[in-house]
Amino acid sequence: TQLLEQSPQFLSIQEGENLTVYCNSSSVFSSLQWYRQEPGEGPVLLVTVVTGGEVKKLKRLTFQFGDARKDSSLHITAAQPGDTGLYLCAGADAGGTSYGKLTFGQGTILTVHP
Amino acid sequence: KAGVTQTPRYLIKTRGQQVTLSCSPISGHRSVSWYQQTPGQGLQFLFEYFSETQRNKGNFPGRFSGRQFSNSRSEMNVSTLELGDSALYLCASSLAGPGSGANVLTFGAGSRLTVL
Repeated sequence: TQLLEQSPQFLSIQEGENLTVYCNSSSVFSSLQWYRQEPGEGPVLLVTVVTGGEVKKLKRLTFQFGDARKDSSLHITAAQPGDTGLYLCAGADAGGTSYGKLTFGQGTILTVHP
Repeated sequence: KAGVTQTPRYLIKTRGQQVTLSCSPISGHRSVSWYQQTPGQGLQFLFEYFSETQRNKGNFPGRFSGRQFSNSRSEMNVSTLELGDSALYLCASSLAGPGSGANVLTFGAGSRLTVL
Protein backbone atom coordinates (compact mmCIF):
# COMPACT_ATOMS: atom_id res chain seq x y z
CA THR A 1 0.00 0.00 0.00
CA GLN A 2 1.42 3.35 -1.03
CA LEU A 3 1.32 6.16 1.50
CA LEU A 4 1.93 9.87 1.18
CA GLU A 5 2.91 11.73 4.32
CA GLN A 6 2.01 15.38 4.07
CA SER A 7 3.23 18.01 6.53
CA PRO A 8 2.40 20.16 8.27
CA GLN A 9 -1.25 19.33 8.86
CA PHE A 10 -2.10 22.88 9.86
CA LEU A 11 -0.47 26.17 8.96
CA SER A 12 -1.63 29.55 10.23
CA ILE A 13 0.37 32.51 8.98
CA GLN A 14 0.16 36.24 8.37
CA GLU A 15 -0.28 37.78 4.96
CA GLY A 16 3.08 38.27 3.25
CA GLU A 17 4.84 35.33 4.88
CA ASN A 18 6.34 32.43 2.94
CA LEU A 19 5.51 28.78 3.56
CA THR A 20 6.41 25.30 2.39
CA VAL A 21 4.30 22.16 2.44
CA TYR A 22 5.98 18.78 2.13
CA CYS A 23 4.80 15.49 0.72
CA ASN A 24 6.91 12.38 1.30
CA SER A 25 6.68 8.70 0.52
CA SER A 26 8.81 5.57 0.42
CA SER A 27 7.16 4.69 -2.89
CA VAL A 28 7.93 5.91 -6.36
CA PHE A 29 5.17 7.67 -8.23
CA SER A 30 4.83 8.17 -11.97
CA SER A 31 3.51 11.65 -11.31
CA LEU A 32 2.56 13.82 -8.41
CA GLN A 33 -0.19 16.37 -8.36
CA TRP A 34 -1.17 19.20 -6.07
CA TYR A 35 -4.76 20.16 -5.49
CA ARG A 36 -6.45 22.94 -3.56
CA GLN A 37 -9.85 22.45 -2.02
CA GLU A 38 -12.17 25.08 -0.59
CA PRO A 39 -15.09 24.38 1.75
CA GLY A 40 -18.09 22.90 -0.04
CA GLU A 41 -16.14 22.21 -3.21
CA GLY A 42 -14.12 19.42 -4.71
CA PRO A 43 -10.32 19.59 -5.07
CA VAL A 44 -9.05 21.67 -7.97
CA LEU A 45 -5.82 20.72 -9.71
CA LEU A 46 -2.98 23.21 -9.32
CA VAL A 47 -0.14 21.38 -11.03
CA THR A 48 1.16 18.00 -12.17
CA VAL A 49 4.85 17.13 -11.96
CA VAL A 50 6.10 14.13 -13.85
CA THR A 51 9.90 14.23 -14.16
CA GLY A 52 12.23 13.66 -11.20
CA GLY A 53 13.81 16.97 -10.20
CA GLU A 54 11.16 18.96 -12.03
CA VAL A 55 10.33 22.44 -10.78
CA LYS A 56 7.17 24.26 -11.85
CA LYS A 57 6.12 27.78 -11.01
CA LEU A 58 2.60 29.09 -10.96
CA LYS A 59 2.71 32.79 -10.03
CA ARG A 60 3.66 32.78 -6.34
CA LEU A 61 3.54 28.97 -6.07
CA THR A 62 6.60 26.81 -6.72
CA PHE A 63 6.28 23.04 -6.98
CA GLN A 64 9.17 20.62 -6.87
CA PHE A 65 9.30 16.88 -7.57
CA GLY A 66 12.10 14.96 -5.90
CA ASP A 67 14.85 13.38 -8.01
CA ALA A 68 13.71 9.90 -7.00
CA ARG A 69 10.04 10.78 -7.60
CA LYS A 70 9.15 9.91 -4.01
CA ASP A 71 8.60 13.38 -2.60
CA SER A 72 7.39 16.82 -3.52
CA SER A 73 7.08 20.27 -2.04
CA LEU A 74 4.87 23.29 -2.53
CA HIS A 75 6.30 26.70 -1.68
CA ILE A 76 4.14 29.80 -1.54
CA THR A 77 5.81 33.20 -1.57
CA ALA A 78 4.14 36.21 0.04
CA ALA A 79 0.97 34.35 0.99
CA GLN A 80 -2.34 36.15 0.63
CA PRO A 81 -5.70 35.54 2.34
CA GLY A 82 -6.98 34.16 -0.96
CA ASP A 83 -4.49 31.30 -0.62
CA THR A 84 -6.45 29.97 2.35
CA GLY A 85 -7.67 26.43 1.80
CA LEU A 86 -6.86 22.74 2.01
CA TYR A 87 -3.81 21.73 -0.03
CA LEU A 88 -3.54 18.11 -1.09
CA CYS A 89 -0.75 16.20 -2.73
CA ALA A 90 -1.61 13.08 -4.70
CA GLY A 91 0.50 10.47 -6.41
CA ALA A 92 -0.22 8.20 -9.35
CA ASP A 93 1.17 4.66 -9.16
CA ALA A 94 4.34 4.09 -11.10
CA GLY A 95 3.73 1.51 -13.79
CA GLY A 96 0.05 1.35 -12.94
CA THR A 97 -2.77 0.95 -15.41
CA SER A 98 -5.15 3.19 -13.57
CA TYR A 99 -6.55 6.35 -15.13
CA GLY A 100 -8.13 7.73 -12.01
CA LYS A 101 -6.56 6.14 -8.96
CA LEU A 102 -4.50 8.53 -6.88
CA THR A 103 -3.02 8.18 -3.42
CA PHE A 104 -3.67 11.35 -1.46
CA GLY A 105 -1.80 12.87 1.42
CA GLN A 106 -3.77 13.87 4.51
CA GLY A 107 -3.77 17.49 3.45
CA THR A 108 -2.54 20.79 4.84
CA ILE A 109 -5.09 23.32 6.06
CA LEU A 110 -3.61 26.73 5.34
CA THR A 111 -5.03 29.88 6.90
CA VAL A 112 -3.60 33.22 5.87
CA HIS A 113 -4.60 36.09 8.13
CA PRO A 114 -4.85 39.65 6.73
CA LYS B 1 -17.83 23.37 -20.86
CA ALA B 2 -19.79 21.91 -17.98
CA GLY B 3 -17.80 20.43 -15.14
CA VAL B 4 -18.36 17.23 -13.21
CA THR B 5 -21.88 17.18 -11.80
CA GLN B 6 -22.79 15.22 -8.70
CA THR B 7 -26.26 14.69 -7.31
CA PRO B 8 -27.59 14.97 -4.74
CA ARG B 9 -25.33 17.51 -3.02
CA TYR B 10 -26.60 16.73 0.45
CA LEU B 11 -28.51 13.83 1.90
CA ILE B 12 -29.37 12.39 5.27
CA LYS B 13 -30.00 8.70 5.81
CA THR B 14 -30.41 6.42 8.80
CA ARG B 15 -28.41 3.34 9.65
CA GLY B 16 -29.34 0.30 7.61
CA GLN B 17 -30.66 2.27 4.64
CA GLN B 18 -29.02 2.33 1.27
CA VAL B 19 -28.05 5.27 -0.91
CA THR B 20 -27.28 5.89 -4.57
CA LEU B 21 -25.12 8.79 -5.69
CA SER B 22 -24.85 10.00 -9.26
CA CYS B 23 -22.02 11.53 -11.25
CA SER B 24 -22.01 13.05 -14.71
CA PRO B 25 -18.44 13.46 -16.02
CA ILE B 26 -17.13 16.16 -18.29
CA SER B 27 -18.24 15.53 -21.85
CA GLY B 28 -15.69 13.31 -23.58
CA HIS B 29 -14.20 11.97 -20.35
CA ARG B 30 -14.52 8.21 -20.22
CA SER B 31 -12.85 7.52 -16.88
CA VAL B 32 -14.78 8.11 -13.65
CA SER B 33 -13.35 7.60 -10.18
CA TRP B 34 -14.95 7.82 -6.77
CA TYR B 35 -13.36 8.92 -3.53
CA GLN B 36 -14.51 9.12 0.06
CA GLN B 37 -13.33 12.12 2.07
CA THR B 38 -13.51 12.20 5.87
CA PRO B 39 -11.69 14.40 8.40
CA GLY B 40 -9.90 11.41 9.89
CA GLN B 41 -8.88 9.47 6.79
CA GLY B 42 -8.68 12.18 4.16
CA LEU B 43 -9.40 11.22 0.55
CA GLN B 44 -9.54 7.51 -0.04
CA PHE B 45 -9.98 5.84 -3.40
CA LEU B 46 -13.16 3.79 -3.79
CA PHE B 47 -13.15 2.61 -7.40
CA GLU B 48 -12.75 3.71 -10.97
CA TYR B 49 -14.58 2.90 -14.15
CA PHE B 50 -13.56 3.12 -17.77
CA SER B 51 -15.78 2.15 -20.67
CA GLU B 52 -18.36 0.67 -18.28
CA THR B 53 -15.76 -1.62 -16.66
CA GLN B 54 -14.41 -1.38 -13.15
CA ARG B 55 -10.65 -1.08 -13.50
CA ASN B 56 -9.59 -0.65 -9.92
CA LYS B 57 -11.17 -0.96 -6.50
CA GLY B 58 -10.01 0.47 -3.22
CA ASN B 59 -10.01 -1.19 0.16
CA PHE B 60 -13.67 -0.80 1.02
CA PRO B 61 -16.23 -3.45 1.98
CA GLY B 62 -18.59 -4.97 -0.54
CA ARG B 63 -21.37 -2.67 0.66
CA PHE B 64 -19.80 -0.09 -1.61
CA SER B 65 -20.47 -0.68 -5.27
CA GLY B 66 -20.67 1.28 -8.46
CA ARG B 67 -21.33 1.15 -12.12
CA GLN B 68 -20.83 3.17 -15.26
CA PHE B 69 -23.26 3.58 -18.10
CA SER B 70 -22.59 3.76 -21.84
CA ASN B 71 -22.75 7.57 -21.73
CA SER B 72 -19.96 7.51 -19.08
CA ARG B 73 -22.28 8.63 -16.30
CA SER B 74 -21.64 6.74 -13.11
CA GLU B 75 -23.45 5.81 -9.95
CA MET B 76 -22.22 4.49 -6.66
CA ASN B 77 -24.30 2.66 -4.12
CA VAL B 78 -23.78 2.06 -0.45
CA SER B 79 -25.99 -0.54 1.16
CA THR B 80 -26.70 -1.15 4.85
CA LEU B 81 -25.40 2.26 5.85
CA GLU B 82 -23.29 2.63 8.97
CA LEU B 83 -22.56 5.76 10.99
CA GLY B 84 -18.98 5.65 9.74
CA ASP B 85 -20.14 6.03 6.16
CA SER B 86 -20.88 9.70 6.83
CA ALA B 87 -18.53 11.50 4.48
CA LEU B 88 -18.14 13.65 1.42
CA TYR B 89 -18.24 11.41 -1.63
CA LEU B 90 -16.32 12.87 -4.54
CA CYS B 91 -16.51 11.86 -8.15
CA ALA B 92 -13.73 12.73 -10.58
CA SER B 93 -13.50 12.32 -14.30
CA SER B 94 -10.45 12.00 -16.48
CA LEU B 95 -9.77 12.24 -20.17
CA ALA B 96 -7.00 9.67 -19.71
CA GLY B 97 -7.11 6.44 -21.63
CA PRO B 98 -4.71 3.74 -22.79
CA GLY B 99 -1.22 5.08 -23.43
CA SER B 100 -1.94 8.48 -21.92
CA GLY B 101 0.16 10.25 -19.32
CA ALA B 102 -0.52 11.43 -15.81
CA ASN B 103 -3.90 10.84 -14.22
CA VAL B 104 -5.31 14.35 -14.24
CA LEU B 105 -8.62 14.43 -12.43
CA THR B 106 -11.42 16.98 -12.46
CA PHE B 107 -13.52 16.66 -9.34
CA GLY B 108 -17.15 17.40 -8.76
CA ALA B 109 -18.33 19.32 -5.71
CA GLY B 110 -19.26 16.09 -3.95
CA SER B 111 -22.25 14.55 -2.25
CA ARG B 112 -22.33 15.12 1.49
CA LEU B 113 -23.83 12.04 3.16
CA THR B 114 -24.86 12.08 6.79
CA VAL B 115 -25.88 8.80 8.41
CA LEU B 116 -27.89 9.08 11.61
